[in-house]
Amino acid sequence: GAVVSQHPSRVICKSGTSVKIECRSLDFQATTMFWYRQFPKQSLMLMATSNEGSKATYEQGVEKDKFLINHASLTLSTLTVTSAHPEDSSFYICSARGTGLTNQPQHFGDGTRLSIL
Amino acid sequence: AQTVTQSQPEMSVQEAETVTLSCTYDTSESDYYLFWYKQPPSRQMILVIRQEAYKQQNATENRFSVNFQKAAKSFSLKISDSQLGDAAMYFCAYRIQGAQKLVFGQGTRLTINP
Repeated sequence: GAVVSQHPSRVICKSGTSVKIECRSLDFQATTMFWYRQFPKQSLMLMATSNEGSKATYEQGVEKDKFLINHASLTLSTLTVTSAHPEDSSFYICSARGTGLTNQPQHFGDGTRLSIL
Repeated sequence: AQTVTQSQPEMSVQEAETVTLSCTYDTSESDYYLFWYKQPPSRQMILVIRQEAYKQQNATENRFSVNFQKAAKSFSLKISDSQLGDAAMYFCAYRIQGAQKLVFGQGTRLTINP
C-alpha cells in the first residue's frame, strides 16, 4: 500500500529555534499534501493544503509566515515552524494524496511530536 | 459548512464481541466520500474503511463494516470479533467529491477489555 514517511518523529528544541519537518511519499506521486496539527486527546486540525509547484493554501487562523510550507516535488513537502515557541508544541501530521483518480484517500505519515522548551 | 459528529467520546467492548461506533455528518452535497481512520497509540493514522456516497452497498473490510444511511446522514462502523489490537482512537471523516479537504469528527476512543 501507499507509504508516507515523516521525519523527524520527535523534536525537542529551545524557544526561538526554527524546525523543519519533512513529508515524503515513498511509492507514489503526491500532487497534494496536507499538514495537520493535533492537540492531546483532540481531533486533527488542518493547517494547510500544499500542491506541488504552487503556494500552499492555509486554513483560517494559521499564520503562513509562522508555518512555512514548501512542496517542491511530487514526493516531498516540508513544514518549517519558524522561531518556535512553547505554544507551538504539538503533534504535527502530514498526509498525501496520489495523482490520478479523484477518489483516492489520504495516506498519513507517522507524525512528528514537537516540544519547545 | 460540512461537519462530522461522533457522539461517543469513549467506548469499550469485551474481546471477541462486536461494537458499533457512531458518526453523523451534515452536508448539502450529494457526491462525497466517507472514511473511518484508526489512530493507535503509535499515533499513525490508518485508513480502516471508506464508502462512496453514490454506492448503496455498505463497505466491508474483513471484520470492519459500515452502516451507511445516506438519508439520515449516518455512517457507523461495526467491528466484529474485537481484538486487543483494535484499541485506538477512531475518527470518522468526510470529503466532498472533487474537493481536497477531509473533515474529521472529534474521535471515539475504543478500549478492548480482555
